[in-house]
Amino acid sequence: DTGVSQDPRHKITKRGQNVTFRCDPISEHNRLYWYRQTLGQGPEFLTYFQNEAQLEKSRLLSDRFSAERPKGSFSTLEIQRTEQGDSAMYLCASSLDSYGGEQFFGPGTRLTVL
Amino acid sequence: GESVGLHLPTLSVQEGDNSIINCAYSNSASDYFIWYKQESGKGPQFIIDIRSNMDKRQGQRVTVLLNKTVKHLSLQIAATQPGDSAVYFCAESYGGYALNFGKGTSLLVTP
Repeated sequence: DTGVSQDPRHKITKRGQNVTFRCDPISEHNRLYWYRQTLGQGPEFLTYFQNEAQLEKSRLLSDRFSAERPKGSFSTLEIQRTEQGDSAMYLCASSLDSYGGEQFFGPGTRLTVL
Repeated sequence: GESVGLHLPTLSVQEGDNSIINCAYSNSASDYFIWYKQESGKGPQFIIDIRSNMDKRQGQRVTVLLNKTVKHLSLQIAATQPGDSAVYFCAESYGGYALNFGKGTSLLVTP
């Protein structure tokens, strides 16, 4: 399968714990995006990487959130001191380096904070 | 702030009929628009996109229409099939990076 993959698919954690999600983009895509989606809503942009550089961050990305893409390939999204409001689907997408190009989404990681 | 929204939260159509899903956007500077389909438990799947220098684009059984005058986007699905049942999102961007998604329309295809 050459699509975007995310791991884990589901994560249940207790409030206050730290969690980390991984995204593997399509191999030739040098742009990588993170979005968050809550039930009944469209995805909301969190952050974006061009290769290893994090170029844009949404105001939704609080200090407890950090994203990395160390070698311009896979990316991780860490949430520290999770809160119940962090419960959502976290989606990763990747695209080619072209203006306004199609973003290919992964299946998402569903986070439940108890 | 700027927003993207949908006129109808749910749409029910009979199999074989044509479907039209509408979307309004408010950022007049948006220059790229895209439709995604999302099935339960899956990530959004690309349907079709259009740039602001076009007003119509056709794909396989789908057509996207862009009316920049009234800031309106629509997705037409011809001969709707049961497999088309899903939530449909329009999204827009300015600058070619972050997508701003609308709330979604649930399409239900009945036999």
